[in-house]
Amino acid sequence: GQSLEQPSEVTAVEGAIVQINCTYQTSGFYGLSWYQQHDGGAPTFLSYNALDGLEETGRFSSFLSRSDSYGYLLLQELQMKDSASYFCAVRGVNYGQNFVFGPGTRLSVLP
Amino acid sequence: NAGVTQTPKFQVLKTGQSMTLQCAQDMNHEYMSWYRQDPGMGLRLIHYSVGAGITDQGEVPNGYNVSRSTTEDFPLRLLSAAPSQTSVYFCASRETGGNYGYTFGSGTRLTVV
Repeated sequence: GQSLEQPSEVTAVEGAIVQINCTYQTSGFYGLSWYQQHDGGAPTFLSYNALDGLEETGRFSSFLSRSDSYGYLLLQELQMKDSASYFCAVRGVNYGQNFVFGPGTRLSVLP
Repeated sequence: NAGVTQTPKFQVLKTGQSMTLQCAQDMNHEYMSWYRQDPGMGLRLIHYSVGAGITDQGEVPNGYNVSRSTTEDFPLRLLSAAPSQTSVYFCASRETGGNYGYTFGSGTRLTVV
């Protein structure tokens, strides 16, 4: 099967850097995605990593280590609007190579 | 482009009733999926489709049926609603390959009493 672990909550101040970790177990691995979801809204896609290393997209970066079954989302220059839940999702061999989501991490950005 | 459109946005059902949640996308995406979201449990995959005429079960398929007669539409049917099916339901679609990023609909908030 597939399972993922994330911290349930993270708190940081405006302008700071925060890292949200994700560890996964999966039968076969194709990639790891990250999504952002504001309260009452729909998840929005942030990034996808299939290979080891760091991918940068503006203030957000995502890292993957396949040997450690581990990834993280790095948010820099935090803004109040970054307060949201963040989900990692793993793409494995199950469910037609579809994505299984983690439980989510709630990020609170304080002024 | 409207993206992924879900209807209705809110629904209250009585136990035992049946209903269909509608989902349509206008991006010509082959992959479509239904997820349910419950507090503290992330999103769980109910059913998915890799193209018109092809559907399969996800992590939590019991009590739900799907069909995919066209590329655009992927309705989810609740056969006999139960309180355990109270949840927020999201439909999502993505293209084959690329960055594998899903586009989600705005969700249907379902309460079964």
